[in-house]
Amino acid sequence: DAKTTQPTSMDCAEGRAANLPCNHSTISGNEYVYWYRQIHSQGPQYIIHGLKNNETNEMASLIITEDRKSSTLILPHATLRDTAVYYCIVRVALGRDDKIIFGKGTRLHILP
Amino acid sequence: DAGVIQSPRHEVTEMGQEVTLRCKPISGHNSLFWYRQTMMRGLELLIYFNNNVPIDDSGMPEDRFSAKMPNASFSTLKIQPSEPRDSAVYFCASSPGTGPMNTEAFFGQGTRLTVV
Repeated sequence: DAKTTQPTSMDCAEGRAANLPCNHSTISGNEYVYWYRQIHSQGPQYIIHGLKNNETNEMASLIITEDRKSSTLILPHATLRDTAVYYCIVRVALGRDDKIIFGKGTRLHILP
Repeated sequence: DAGVIQSPRHEVTEMGQEVTLRCKPISGHNSLFWYRQTMMRGLELLIYFNNNVPIDDSGMPEDRFSAKMPNASFSTLKIQPSEPRDSAVYFCASSPGTGPMNTEAFFGQGTRLTVV
């Protein structure tokens, strides 16, 4: 079972920042927070991941609370091409315990 | 690298026939995952391999499903006999698996299976 809770859907205006929340209150100390997205008819695409520090890359920023029980994915300037289902995943990400379990995700609609 | 390559992209078969889906992971990746996606059930992990060894197949729905990874560059998912409820998009993914900072999973484009 997925260990995360996300809103079913969200809207965001084009050009604005999209903030996608995720709750993972039962996260273990050795589990990382991963974000993927799936654009219609394509395979899921990796966005970003982190353990406890905030992370930023060319696609997005990941803000993890100090207690690590929740996180927020930020798309700084959303475009229409960011319309997708966004999945928040907790994952051990090491060796034999490595599994990627997807929940239902958040369907993000970018509005023109 | 061309990424994870799955074949065929589309498969239509009759109920009762054997179906074989193929996956070529990214060279050098140690982990391989098979997923099934439907509208009703979302993305389900079927099985995953680490260094060509099946680690967890608890997601395989029943004995009609089997998966193999004979070497590091090839995996198959077989359904025999196929049933209409097996209709779905099947994804394969691979991951370097060399540590927590290098474990991004790359997905193929999927195989859309229709069993009639």
